[in-house]
Amino acid sequence: AQKVTQAQTEISVVEKEDVTLDCVYETRDTTYYLFWYKQPPSGELVFLIRRNSFDEQNEISGRYSWNFQKSTSSFNFTITASQVVDSAVYFCALTGSESFGNEKLTFGTGTRLTIIP
Amino acid sequence: DTGVSQDPRHKITKRGQNVTFRCDPISEHNRLYWYRQTLGQGPEFLTYFQNEAQLEKSRLLSDRFSAERPKGSFSTLEIQRTEQGDSAMYLCASSFRQGPLNTEAFFGQGTRLTVV
Repeated sequence: AQKVTQAQTEISVVEKEDVTLDCVYETRDTTYYLFWYKQPPSGELVFLIRRNSFDEQNEISGRYSWNFQKSTSSFNFTITASQVVDSAVYFCALTGSESFGNEKLTFGTGTRLTIIP
Repeated sequence: DTGVSQDPRHKITKRGQNVTFRCDPISEHNRLYWYRQTLGQGPEFLTYFQNEAQLEKSRLLSDRFSAERPKGSFSTLEIQRTEQGDSAMYLCASSFRQGPLNTEAFFGQGTRLTVV
């Protein structure tokens, strides 16, 4: 069975601070994909990143960066110089090798991030 | 707007009534997914289609639930004899798959169902 754990239920930081959202996953598959999605108050899930299990290279996109560590089964997400628009619920998700790609996403319970102006 | 569209956005129904939701995926996408999200939880997979074929159904999808994608374009999700436990956000997503290539899933804004 697959499982995604986001231990941080809620985080509040002051604007311009850096913040890291933690994600730990469990899977027996050797090939899998990891994702981060953002869910603003409007409800729509916005795709942020997909990473496959063979690519442990960290990625940076503007103020966003992701740290994938297979040894600890973690895929953490850092927002640098946070802004009020970053306030949302962030979900980490996982798919397995039996579903090549992104079918059957297994989501964590999400982290509600509030940026205080 | 070329994103995933869901209708209605909100639905309030009395227990025991039937409801139907519609999802219009991104036009060139051949895969369509339904998820359910309850308050404070992440979305849970319900079912998905490749074109008009329903390829997988979760155990969460009881026999009161049925989903169709008759022409491989839009999809409907029907819940019969609704129960209060069905109250949730129902999310639709779509993606394009050809061989090993698969785009990420794009989600709609969801239909929020409240059963009273």
